[in-house]
Amino acid sequence: GESVGLHLPTLSVQEGDNSIINCAYSNSASDYFIWYKQESGKGPQFIIDIRSNMDKRQGQRVTVLLNKTVKHLSLQIAATQPGDSAVYFCAENIFEEYGNKLVFGAGTILRVKS
Amino acid sequence: DSGVTQTPKHLITATGQRVTLRCSPRSGDLSVYWYQQSLDQGLQFLIQYYNGEERAKGNILERFSAQQFPDLHSELNLSSLELGDSALYFCASSSSGALVGELFFGEGSRLTVL
Repeated sequence: GESVGLHLPTLSVQEGDNSIINCAYSNSASDYFIWYKQESGKGPQFIIDIRSNMDKRQGQRVTVLLNKTVKHLSLQIAATQPGDSAVYFCAENIFEEYGNKLVFGAGTILRVKS
Repeated sequence: DSGVTQTPKHLITATGQRVTLRCSPRSGDLSVYWYQQSLDQGLQFLIQYYNGEERAKGNILERFSAQQFPDLHSELNLSSLELGDSALYFCASSSSGALVGELFFGEGSRLTVL
């Protein structure tokens, strides 16, 4: 079935360093991808999205890269801060006949060391 | 605050019982999504409703059902509960039936089945 997976379950970085979280997706027909951040005890929160007609999109301290050739997505966080510690999910939008669903990856834990 | 409200926040019940989880979407959002998040699991899509109609279905068990009411709030009914149903259940909303923008997630309902 559909699946979106992550390469690294846990990533530890030093405060101030850049973080890169990777994700592989399986549905080559997907045309929309989103990164979500989930802090402990909270619901997922939107970080950044990208459509398949783009290969890069930048936000505030975050950049998403999309490589459709190898079906790979990455999230780069610049100057990582302690507040960035959370679980990060990539998600792939799959359209169905009358609706759609976001298929989420397993998640990567980001730990920021001070 | 995402604007999505879920009740109850916590629920403890016994195997074989039935529970109802409630979700109020963001004002103006017509689409509601339900997700299940178990320990060590990612977010599993259950079902999507748009303006009262079911639009997309994921890995939702037959013991589970959902509906969206005319006022757009949604309920997820879980019956014949099993230990394995213990999880966080998230509701999310969006303005579109076909995902074009982000999903806004509630804080979740934590279900514990004993």
